[in-house]
Amino acid sequence: EPEVTQTPSHQVTQMGQEVILRCVPISNHLYFYWYRQILGQKVEFLVSFYNNEISEKSEIFDDQFSVERPDGSNFTLKIRSTKLEDSAMYFCASSELEDTEAFFGQGTRLTVV
Amino acid sequence: AQSVTQPDIHITVSEGASLELRCNYSYGATPYLFWYVQSPGQGLQLLLKYFSGDTLVQGIKGFEAEFKRSQSSFNLRKPSVHWSDAAEYFCAVGAKEYGNKLVFGAGTILRVKS
Repeated sequence: EPEVTQTPSHQVTQMGQEVILRCVPISNHLYFYWYRQILGQKVEFLVSFYNNEISEKSEIFDDQFSVERPDGSNFTLKIRSTKLEDSAMYFCASSELEDTEAFFGQGTRLTVV
Repeated sequence: AQSVTQPDIHITVSEGASLELRCNYSYGATPYLFWYVQSPGQGLQLLLKYFSGDTLVQGIKGFEAEFKRSQSSFNLRKPSVHWSDAAEYFCAVGAKEYGNKLVFGAGTILRVKS
C-alpha cells in the first residue's frame, strides 16, 4: 500500500540552527501539507502546497518556515533558525485531489535544545 | 472560525464493550469529516471519512461513524472494543472552501481494560 514517508524520524538540533524535514508523498498525489503537533496539544495545520506553490499557510508559518519540492518526489519543510518552541512532531501529508482524504506520514519528532 | 470539539479527553472501556467517541464541529461550509487514530509514537492513520452521501460510514478495524448535520456531530462508534484499539483518536474537519486544510480536535485517549 502506498504511504507517505518522512525522514528523519527524530532530529535533535541546537537553537538557532537550520533544519530540513523531508517527506516523500504518495506518487500520484498533487496536494501536499505540513502539520505539527506540540506535545500534548492539537495537530495544527502549517501549510498546503500545490502546483509548486503555497496555496495556504497558517499564522504559525512565518518567515522562518519555507517549503520546497526540489524534485519530482520530495517535499521539504525548512526551519531557518530554530527556536525552543519549534519542538514538536511534524507531519507531512498528501492527497490526490483537493477534496480527497489526506494520508499522513509517521512524523518527524524535532527537539530543539 | 472553524473549530472541532472532542469533549472527552480520556475514555476507559472494558474489552468487548461498545465505544462511542464524540465529535462536534463548527464550520462555515459543508464539511468533510474524518477520524484518525494515533498509537504512541506513531503517525496518523485514517480510520474513516465522510464527504457526501450516506451519513453512516464504515471504516477500518470495525469502526463506523455517523454524520448528523442537525447536531453538527460526527461520532465514532465500535460495537466491541479490542485491547489493540487503545490509542488516541482525532476527529478532523475540512472543506473545499477552506483549501482542504484540516482542523483537528484535541483528541480522545482511549484506554481498554481487560
